Amino acid sequence: EDKVVQSPLSLVVHEGDTVTLNCSYEVTNFRSLLWYKQEKKAPTFLFMLTSSGIEKKSGRLSSILDKKELFSILNITATQTGDSAIYLCAVSLNTGNQFYFGTGTSLTVIP
Amino acid sequence: NAGVTQTPKFQVLKTGQSMTLQCAQDMNHEYMSWYRQDPGMGLRLIHYSVGAGITDQGEVPNGYNVSRSTTEDFPLRLLSAAPSQTSVYFCASSSTVGSPLHFGNGTRLTVT
Repeated sequence: EDKVVQSPLSLVVHEGDTVTLNCSYEVTNFRSLLWYKQEKKAPTFLFMLTSSGIEKKSGRLSSILDKKELFSILNITATQTGDSAIYLCAVSLNTGNQFYFGTGTSLTVIP
Repeated sequence: NAGVTQTPKFQVLKTGQSMTLQCAQDMNHEYMSWYRQDPGMGLRLIHYSVGAGITDQGEVPNGYNVSRSTTEDFPLRLLSAAPSQTSVYFCASSSTVGSPLHFGNGTRLTVT
């Protein structure tokens, strides 16, 4: 059975802290791994990773994929209250354009 | 550019009632899909479509029907609502196979 597991389930940090969110997966026909940020409404796209060891970076956020160990991490440095959200990891399969999502990590950044 | 538009934003149904959740996208995306989001369960795929006239089942299709008569629209029908269908429903689209999904703002459905 295809599955995507995220950890931790929730996290509370202070502004300025650095956080690491984890995503592991067991799927057949892996195509790519994606990270999304969900605030009050629709998830918004952050990164798509297809190759191992190549870091993707956007401002204070970065992510990397390990296809041998089947996991990815999302790092957020110098956290701000605006980073408070649920972070979703999804895996895309080669068959039928299906995406499997993890349950998400709820991040709360307190001033 | 509106992106993915879902209506209604909120809906309350009684058990056994039927309704249609509307989804429209103006990005000319071939791929569209419906997800439900429940606490502790993440986003689960209900149905998806890779183009007009083509639909297929996802992880949790029971109790839901879809059709795709145009590229723009992908409605989700609940034929006989059950309390287990209380959830937040998201429609999503992508331009090509494997490209990132663009989500609508969701419909919060409560079945009593």
